[in-house]
Amino acid sequence: QSVLTQPPSVSGAPGQRVTIFCSGNSFNIGAGYDVHWYQQLPGAAPKLLIYTNNNRPSGVPDRFSGSKSGTSASLAITGLQAEDEADYYCQSYASSLSKVFGGGTKLTVL
Amino acid sequence: EVQVVESGGGLIQSGGSLRLSCAASGFTVNSNSMSWVRQAPGKGLEWVSVIYSDARTYYADSVKGRFTISRDNSKNTLYLQMSSLRVEDTAVYYCTRDQDYYDTSGSYYYYGMDVWGQGTTVTVSS
Repeated sequence: QSVLTQPPSVSGAPGQRVTIFCSGNSFNIGAGYDVHWYQQLPGAAPKLLIYTNNNRPSGVPDRFSGSKSGTSASLAITGLQAEDEADYYCQSYASSLSKVFGGGTKLTVL
Repeated sequence: EVQVVESGGGLIQSGGSLRLSCAASGFTVNSNSMSWVRQAPGKGLEWVSVIYSDARTYYADSVKGRFTISRDNSKNTLYLQMSSLRVEDTAVYYCTRDQDYYDTSGSYYYYGMDVWGQGTTVTVSS
């Protein structure tokens, strides 16, 4: 069982908007630690998608955005495309200075 | 080009030991913190261990006392020594670079794991 909670799956049609939530507690996200998001395409290694809550690395389309509030964070994907079908993971720190991941969310593009 | 390449995975019996290596290029392994992250078959990501630029190390509870993270600056390589392996350690092990730095006042800033290797597979049999 992961420290950060994500829905196992979400889906949306091409062009739609989907949001993936990541829920933590007062020992991780709620303690003020930033949230980072990773995209894992089928058969590939994960890739940093969003860092420090709402920043995109170079090359990541602005269709992807992140936010954080209280003990939770979210990843929004607008203008959904077939190539966005992947697993998405949130990640933060815990008070013990260990790093924690969410359980992952499988995005299906209908 | 900034990249990391893992090696050393394989099939090992429960109770055995294995050392994973992660060769870095395009940056130096002691200039950032470096982490190991694993993914069991069909499962999600699990953080395993980190070594900071100041050589402090931390471990997930699931591997504490069994795994040791280290680095060889002269070889620009990160290692993960795994001992007393269990079936539940079976996973793809990824080496990652942590995008982080300390400012002049000693404050720490972390921006996520920005470089990932392709992973090396460890299979522990009973």
